Amino acid sequence: KQEVTQIPAALSVPEGENLVLNCSFTDSAIYNLQWFRQDPGKGLTSLLLIQSSQREQTSGRLNASLDKSSGRSTLYIAASQPGDSATYLCAVTTSGTYKYIFGTGTRLKVLA
Amino acid sequence: SAVISQKPSRDICQRGTSLTIQCQVDSQVTMMFWYRQQPGQSLTLIATANQGSEATYESGFVIDKFPISRPNLTFSTLTVSNMSPEDSSIYLCSVQGAVAGELFFGEGSRLTVL
Repeated sequence: KQEVTQIPAALSVPEGENLVLNCSFTDSAIYNLQWFRQDPGKGLTSLLLIQSSQREQTSGRLNASLDKSSGRSTLYIAASQPGDSATYLCAVTTSGTYKYIFGTGTRLKVLA
Repeated sequence: SAVISQKPSRDICQRGTSLTIQCQVDSQVTMMFWYRQQPGQSLTLIATANQGSEATYESGFVIDKFPISRPNLTFSTLTVSNMSPEDSSIYLCSVQGAVAGELFFGEGSRLTVL
């Protein structure tokens, strides 16, 4: 059974710092890995999708990498801003299923 | 990408009543998903809504409690029946993109049961 874990659960950094969020999964036979952002009380906004054949994806200040063999993905945020404050969630689908399993999330606070 | 609209965005309900949440997508999609996010928790899949057939429920969720309709390829409803305070959550509708399988979400419906 696929399990997804995110560490740390919460993170507080000063503005301008580069930071890394971690996502671990137990079954390496994944199909997709997707990173989301969630603002308090709101829905999820898709940030990056990495398909199983890919190693990384980039969008603006965000870069996500995938290492299936070690069961890990990282989300790198460059030059963090207060507007980046949110909860970041990763989710994976396992080959042969369309269902996404979500991680526990990392609550990020960027201090001005 | 897909634009997903959910109604209501939030509601406060009394114990024992039922509430129906609507989800409208701006394009035709094969599968729609309903998730629950309890306070301080991550997302849990309730069921997959299939057009023209009964929804497929995940372990721990039953049709009597969470009946789902899917009358066409752009619309679905989730009803939370006989509500208790434990049903207080954000309920989220989502769809999967046709090409890469990317998941898109609506804004969610925040339900508080007193």
